[in-house]
Amino acid sequence: DTEVTQTPKHLVMGMTNKKSLKCEQHMGHRAMYWYKQKAKKPPELMFVYSYEKLSINESVPSRFSPECPNSSLLNLHLHALQPEDSALYLCASSQDKAGGPNEQFFGPGTRLTVL
Amino acid sequence: LAKTTQPISMDSYEGQEVNITCSHNNIATNDYITWYQQFPSQGPRFIIQGYKTKVTNEVASLFIPADRKSSTLSLPRVSLSDTAVYYCPLNTGFQKLVFGTGTRLLVSP
Repeated sequence: DTEVTQTPKHLVMGMTNKKSLKCEQHMGHRAMYWYKQKAKKPPELMFVYSYEKLSINESVPSRFSPECPNSSLLNLHLHALQPEDSALYLCASSQDKAGGPNEQFFGPGTRLTVL
Repeated sequence: LAKTTQPISMDSYEGQEVNITCSHNNIATNDYITWYQQFPSQGPRFIIQGYKTKVTNEVASLFIPADRKSSTLSLPRVSLSDTAVYYCPLNTGFQKLVFGTGTRLLVSP
């Protein structure tokens, strides 16, 4: 199984809502990532988890809260978002081997619209 | 982190070879050069990666000169299904991919 799955595919939420994005992989990868991609722009790294611990936070606002409950699951909790947070949110995973880069496997993304 | 720059768009025809260049003047010693393909409303898909000289796999070749300040992705005999955005992020080995603007490739019949 070389697939990263993300749910939901689409999400519409108001600025006062609380919602969560979910990502799952069963490739035994120990690094997992959240990226944000605005229309016609490149993906931007938000968070990296390594062995279920947060290793990189790219100065993301606190209204985005990541969680890694186990090695296969990654969540992104959303609260009090702004319309400018509307974007495609991509999850990725990779091995976490030292000594060289590891290919990242991306999911299809969740298309988020904040009203 | 080093940024990469690429041509914004390229056009080609089916059956042609396409070469997409990427400039990374500030590449660090530990950085690897990677290439990803992205279709609309999908996540990027890994194509190839390299550190220096030439790397070839079943879908593409990657050419890296000795100074490593640029790289070229070569796609042999493209088809309509190769129409996509191509990115050349550098991989620092600390799991950080920094994507540049990407190149939109349009393949026509």
